[in-house]
Amino acid sequence: AQSVTQLDSQVPVFEEAPVELRCNYSSSVSVYLFWYVQYPNQGLQLLLKYLSGSTLVKGINGFEAEFNKSQTSFHLRKPSVHISDTAEYFCAVSDLRDGANNLFFGTGTRLTVIP
Amino acid sequence: DVKVTQSSRYLVKRTGEKVFLECVQDMDHENMFWYRQDPGLGLRLIYFSYDVKMKEKGDIPEGYSVSREKKERFSLILESASTNQTSMYLCASGGEAGLPYEQYFGPGTRLTVT
Repeated sequence: AQSVTQLDSQVPVFEEAPVELRCNYSSSVSVYLFWYVQYPNQGLQLLLKYLSGSTLVKGINGFEAEFNKSQTSFHLRKPSVHISDTAEYFCAVSDLRDGANNLFFGTGTRLTVIP
Repeated sequence: DVKVTQSSRYLVKRTGEKVFLECVQDMDHENMFWYRQDPGLGLRLIYFSYDVKMKEKGDIPEGYSVSREKKERFSLILESASTNQTSMYLCASGGEAGLPYEQYFGPGTRLTVT
């Protein structure tokens, strides 16, 4: 089964500064990658996804992520964060090879934007 | 917009009680999932279903069961609630089997077992 590692459990950053949230996954023949965001007391919302094609993927709220197959990474970036970006972010991988389409989630990164 | 609804946002139950968590989706998705979310552990899959009356165990099925009698509805059942089942429970639904789809999540049910 796939596994996902989010190395940073908490990331504090000042407002308008850039941010990168790191995600690494275990290797697979084909892999599909997702980033979700969870605002306080809410469910998860899809930020962006990589299925195929361009390795740079743009999502909602100004976020983007780059798929790097050689480094098995899918880091999330934003050039300038806002207070409203304070939330928990989850990286997930979907592996079709094991006969199922389940998503495997990382343990999450809590982003705190400081005014 | 896809909508996934869960029957309760907050629930308090006593140890030993039978607990039902209901989830309904309105997008005719084949696949539905139940996760529990705990701090530092991320989301862990309890059960999932690829079709009506079909169910598969996830990573942590012990102490839980599920029911899917209709395509749009997926229920999670705690036969005898215990304090270690205090958690946030998230339901999700997705598209057709065999395709790399994203999952759509409900708002969650925060269950406290006392």
